[in-house]
Amino acid sequence: AQTVTQSQPEMSVQEAETVTLSCTYDTSESNYYLFWYKQPPSRQMILVIRQEAYKQQNATENRFSVNFQKAAKSFSLKISDSQLGDTAMYFCAFIRNNNDMRFGAGTRLTVKP
Amino acid sequence: GAVVSQHPSRVICKSGTSVKIECRSLDFQATTMFWYRQFPKQSLMLMATSNEGSKATYEQGVEKDKFLINHASLTLSTLTVTSAHPEDSSFYICSARDITSVGEKLFFGSGTQLSVL
Repeated sequence: AQTVTQSQPEMSVQEAETVTLSCTYDTSESNYYLFWYKQPPSRQMILVIRQEAYKQQNATENRFSVNFQKAAKSFSLKISDSQLGDTAMYFCAFIRNNNDMRFGAGTRLTVKP
Repeated sequence: GAVVSQHPSRVICKSGTSVKIECRSLDFQATTMFWYRQFPKQSLMLMATSNEGSKATYEQGVEKDKFLINHASLTLSTLTVTSAHPEDSSFYICSARDITSVGEKLFFGSGTQLSVL
């Protein structure tokens, strides 16, 4: 079985500062994909960043980057220069070849002005 | 980017009636679509995996006779909530896998809020 754990139900950060959201996962597979999704109040799922497990280099998308530690099965998301529009639920997700996507419980991030 | 259209976005129905939710991939073919359910302030829980031309695979605890899934074409999957009851009220989201993409890529619909009176 594969599980995704997000241990921070809620986080807050001041505008323009940096915040890190934690995620750990459990799998016996060697090849898989990890994702961070943002879900704003509209509830549309928005892909923030994606990491392929066979790539050692951490993925980066503008202000968003990950710290992927494969041996530790850790996949944290760093948001730099936080903006008010970053306020949302953030879900860590896991998928392996031809299988469904599983989500963590989510972290509610609030960016304060 | 790839677009998944989900309709309706919101539906209110009486207890005992059936409701159909459509999920369409607009600019790509999707052999596999997934249906999720999300309760307020909770995560997305996978209900079933829908494969084009074959029977859906349901997660443990999900009643297949209550949540009917049909995936008749490479661009359309439907979820029908039969004989809906108030406890079926929830937010339902579909996602589709782009078979032509390199690596795993899923695209999500905008969701359907179902309210059963």
